[in-house]
Amino acid sequence: GENVEQHPSTLSVQEGDSAVIKCTYSDSASNYFPWYKQELGKRPQLIIDIRSNVGEKKDQRIAVTLNKTAKHFSLHITETQPEDSAVYFCAARFSGGYNKLIFGAGTRLAVHP
Amino acid sequence: DGGITQSPKYLFRKEGQNVTLSCEQNLNHDAMYWYRQDPGQGLRLIYYSQIVNDFQKGDIAEGYSVSREKKESFPLTVTSAQKNPTAFYLCASRAVEVYDTQYFGPGTRLTVL
Repeated sequence: GENVEQHPSTLSVQEGDSAVIKCTYSDSASNYFPWYKQELGKRPQLIIDIRSNVGEKKDQRIAVTLNKTAKHFSLHITETQPEDSAVYFCAARFSGGYNKLIFGAGTRLAVHP
Repeated sequence: DGGITQSPKYLFRKEGQNVTLSCEQNLNHDAMYWYRQDPGQGLRLIYYSQIVNDFQKGDIAEGYSVSREKKESFPLTVTSAQKNPTAFYLCASRAVEVYDTQYFGPGTRLTVL
C-alpha cells in the first residue's frame, strides 16, 4: 500500500554539524517529493522539493537527494544552526491522482549550541 | 502561506457535539485539503477538493464531512461519529498551475472535553 517511512524519529546534533534525514516510499510511480519544516504549534512550511527527473537539488544549506531505483530520498542540512531545530516531514506524491501526498511520521531535530 | 487562514485557533468541544472548522484562502487556488495531525505522527488526509462543488474522501474520512460551495472556502465538520477527534487540524491549498506544491494554513487545535 501507500507508505512513506522516515528515519530517524529524533536527531540531536551540535551546532555546525550536518544532519541527514532519510525517507523511503512504496509507490514506484511517485514523482514529487517535498520536505516540510514545522516549528512547535505552527504550520508546516515547504523548505525544498524534488521531482523524479532530478537526482539532487540544493538551496543554500539544504539539499535533497533522490534515488529512484532504491525508492528513497534524503534531506541534508549542513552547518546546522539552533534555528534549524524543528520537526521535519518528508512526503511523496502517489500516483492515485488528485495530488495526494503521503507524509512520513516526522523527525524531531535538535541543534545544540 | 499568508493567504490561507483557519479559525478558530483553539476549539473545545463536548462529547456528542458537531463542530465546524473554517478554512479560507485568497490565493485563487483550485485545490484544497484537510489533514489531521496527532502527536508524534505525520499528516493524514481527511478530505480533498479539486474544484468547487466536488470533494473526495481521503484516508481517514469517517466521522468528518466537508463542503466546497465557494472556491475560497473549504469548511470541515467534525461530527459526533468521530470517536477520537482531539488533534491538530491543518488545511492546505494548491494552485493548478503549480501542480505539486501544497501550502498550509496555521491550523486549528481541537480538544474534546
